[in-house]
Amino acid sequence: AQSVTQLGSHVSVSEGALVLLRCNYSSSVPPYLFWYVQYPNQGLQLLLKYTTGATLVKGINGFEAEFKKSETSFHLTKPSAHMSDAAEYFCAVSGLNNNDMRFGAGTRLTVKP
Amino acid sequence: NAGVTQTPKFQVLKTGQSMTLQCAQDMNHEYMSWYRQDPGMGLRLIHYSVGAGITDQGEVPNGYNVSRSTTEDFPLRLLSAAPSQTSVYFCASSQHGGGVDSPLHFGNGTRLTVT
Repeated sequence: AQSVTQLGSHVSVSEGALVLLRCNYSSSVPPYLFWYVQYPNQGLQLLLKYTTGATLVKGINGFEAEFKKSETSFHLTKPSAHMSDAAEYFCAVSGLNNNDMRFGAGTRLTVKP
Repeated sequence: NAGVTQTPKFQVLKTGQSMTLQCAQDMNHEYMSWYRQDPGMGLRLIHYSVGAGITDQGEVPNGYNVSRSTTEDFPLRLLSAAPSQTSVYFCASSQHGGGVDSPLHFGNGTRLTVT
């Protein structure tokens, strides 16, 4: 069984500041990990994914995430926030099949000018 | 290329009414699925299908029916709506059911209110 915990339902940063969104997972099998972004009134879009290999994963729009097995974490970061980054972000963990995928509760990111 | 199309965008139902949420994809994807999104709970899988004629239950299937008669379409039916089914519903598809190299593509959602 897999599950995800996202720490902080709401994160607020200033434009140009570091973005850090936290995700911890639980999985009984080697996990595949994902971050999705949801803009208002839209569906989810894939930001990045970890499958195997390099533990630092780069995604779209300057985001990256690091898989840390010892900490069971997959935190999402971006060095410098932009106003267009304001959205809701979901961490997800999966086994081999898409129907195994479990989503976290989401973190709403607000970017202040 | 439209991707995943959901209709309607908004719907209000009275308790006990029935309705069908439509989902269509034009990417020839084998795998299709329905999620509901509730505040503080993320997305939860309702039903999924790995191909035409094959459907299975997800985490929260009660109160919902699905069928998959074609590759393109995967409608979700509420037979007798309840206030607990007030939610935002997302349809998602992927090339096949394996998540590693087959990312989900989401529609824009249907916001359903049951009074």
